[in-house]
Amino acid sequence: AAGVIQSPRHLIKEKRETATLKCYPIPRHDTVYWYQQGPGQDPQFLISFYEKMQSDKGSIPDRFSAQQFSDYHSELNMSSLELGDSALYFCASSLTSGENNEQFFGPGTRLTVL
Amino acid sequence: DQQVKQNSPSLSVQEGRISILNCDYTNSMFDYFLWYKKYPAEGPTFLISISSIKDKNEDGRFTVFLNKSAKHLSLHIVPSQPGDSAVYFCAAKRLYQGGSEKLVFGKGTKLTVNP
Repeated sequence: AAGVIQSPRHLIKEKRETATLKCYPIPRHDTVYWYQQGPGQDPQFLISFYEKMQSDKGSIPDRFSAQQFSDYHSELNMSSLELGDSALYFCASSLTSGENNEQFFGPGTRLTVL
Repeated sequence: DQQVKQNSPSLSVQEGRISILNCDYTNSMFDYFLWYKKYPAEGPTFLISISSIKDKNEDGRFTVFLNKSAKHLSLHIVPSQPGDSAVYFCAAKRLYQGGSEKLVFGKGTKLTVNP
C-alpha cells in the first residue's frame, strides 16, 4: 500500500539559508500535518491543512510557511535557517471521516543546519 | 507545558514477559489517546488507540488501559518479543468535524526486549 512520501530524506543547509521540504500524502487523504522533532524531544505540531486550506497552526516560527497544493502534496518552506531548526520533520496524512481517523506518518526529513 | 508525559525514558524487559509503558496527561479535554511505535530512521507507526469513553482496548498482544480519574494510561505488551524493541510514543488528540486533529505527544519511552 502507498505510504506518505517525504523528500528529501536528508538535507544539510547553512545558517540563513532556505529549505523546502515536500510531503506527498496517501492518495485520497484530505488532511496533512507537519511535526518537528528536535533531538531527544517529542514531535511538536507545526501546522495542518484540510482540503488545501490551513486548518490549524501550532508552534511554527514566522520564518516558516507551508501550503498544500491542488494535488494535495504539501511543502514546508523554511527561511533564515537557524542552528535550532536542526530536527526531524515529519509529515502525516489522514482521511478526516469517522471517529478514529488515524494519522499515517512519513519517514521524515532530517534537516541539519550548520 | 508538557500536556502528555512519559516519565520513563527507557524500559528493558525479557522476551516473553510483560512490558508496561505508562503515560500521564493533564488536559481533560482530550478525546482520544494513541500509542505510536517508532523504529530508527522511520516515522511513527500507529499501534493502538482508545477513546476517552472507554477504559480498555485490546488488539492481539497489545492492550491499552485508560484511567480517566487519574489521567493515566498504560500500554501492555504480552508476551514481549525482541521485534517490539522501539521507541513508544503516547499521544492524545481532540476530535473535530473535519479540519485538524493535531496530536500532542509525550517524549517517548525506549523499550528494549532482551532475548
